[in-house]
Amino acid sequence: NAGVTQTPKFQVLKTGQSMTLQCAQDMNHNSMYWYRQDPGMGLRLIYYSASEGTTDKGEVPNGYNVSRLNKREFSLRLESAAPSQTSVYFCASSRDSGETQYFGPGTRLLVL
Amino acid sequence: KNEVEQSPQNLTAQEGEFITINCSYSVGISALHWLQQHPGGGIVSLFMLSSGKKKHGRLIATINIQEKHSSLHITASHPRDSAVYICAATDFQGAQKLVFGQGTRLTINP
Repeated sequence: NAGVTQTPKFQVLKTGQSMTLQCAQDMNHNSMYWYRQDPGMGLRLIYYSASEGTTDKGEVPNGYNVSRLNKREFSLRLESAAPSQTSVYFCASSRDSGETQYFGPGTRLLVL
Repeated sequence: KNEVEQSPQNLTAQEGEFITINCSYSVGISALHWLQQHPGGGIVSLFMLSSGKKKHGRLIATINIQEKHSSLHITASHPRDSAVYICAATDFQGAQKLVFGQGTRLTINP
């Protein structure tokens, strides 16, 4: 089992460009999450999907959109990247909401 | 004020020392999580607990619900324990999202 996988591992964007971060899990989990991690800020929830077919905003959703494509996949889209979105992005999944979360390896994003 | 506070923010110790990291929370919670983030960036869940104490190898996690406080202890610390340790609380409301502390950076010197 691969667990939670994320692509790409690293990306450089120019301001205004768009991109999609991909996340997939093979543990048959119902809930999936997108976080960003910035120095001194800790992990902050961007969006989450409690179950297939549902998505909800987290603490810092502005500038992002998500798609729960199926039970396995949960993508995060930046429509018009800004330097403030420079961060490390983590995807996570759990069997159900509130349970132990399993994290992907992260995507390091630099917006110039 | 953060809903989940950790202390200390940074901790340096010698190999073999007993380590304690503290976590206090102000929200009503259904569970408290401890996670480890390796120097390479990967995040691993260590414990999820809602009462009492859990032990895994040299790691022990305790929680006092009345005092809204949890501790992570490491016995016989080793340089490979060097990492950032993150406390997170699952709130009671809605979809039971995690609320994270800022992390404690632990360095164990040989």
